[in-house]
Amino acid sequence: DAKTTQPTSMDCAEGRAANLPCNHSTISGNEYVYWYRQIHSQGPQYIIHGLKNNETNEMASLIITEDRKSSTLILPHATLRDTAVYYCIVRPNYGGATNKLIFGTGTLLAVQP
Amino acid sequence: ETGVTQSPTHLIKTRGQQVTLRCSSQSGHNTVSWYQQALGQGPQFIFQYYREEENGRGNFPPRFSGLQFPNYSSELNVNALELDDSALYLCASSLGGSTSYEQYFGPGTRLTVT
Repeated sequence: DAKTTQPTSMDCAEGRAANLPCNHSTISGNEYVYWYRQIHSQGPQYIIHGLKNNETNEMASLIITEDRKSSTLILPHATLRDTAVYYCIVRPNYGGATNKLIFGTGTLLAVQP
Repeated sequence: ETGVTQSPTHLIKTRGQQVTLRCSSQSGHNTVSWYQQALGQGPQFIFQYYREEENGRGNFPPRFSGLQFPNYSSELNVNALELDDSALYLCASSLGGSTSYEQYFGPGTRLTVT
């Protein structure tokens, strides 16, 4: 079972910031928070991951609370092409062993024009 | 767009038949994972291959099997197809053994079992 809880759907106006929340209250010390998204009819796409510090890349920012029990993915200026299902996943980051991803049902983000 | 490719794009099979799906991993990646995604659901992990050996398996019966070749491409085989096997099958490649475990997914193969 997925270890995360996300809202089923969210709307965002084009050009505004999209803030996608995720609860992971049972996260353990060696587990990272990963975000992927899946645009309709495509495979999932990696966005960003982090352990406890906030992270930023060219796609998004990831804010993790101090107790690590929740996080927020921020798309700073949402466009219509950001409409997708966004998955929040927690998993250990270690080498050699299975690095499977356990997906929940994610959040459907609909960016409105 | 990733360098992961899958074939075929779409496939229609009859219940009881066998099917082979193929995946070419991104250059330099030695690990391939397979996922099944039913309509309206998130992808479910089937198994993973690391350097040609199965390295973890999800809750799927033995009629789901796989192979990884020396060039790290991979096949997913499903025997005795059932109607519930209708789904999008995704493969993902990654570089196992490194500190970077992002998985790069292909576009998937849509399998329909009638």
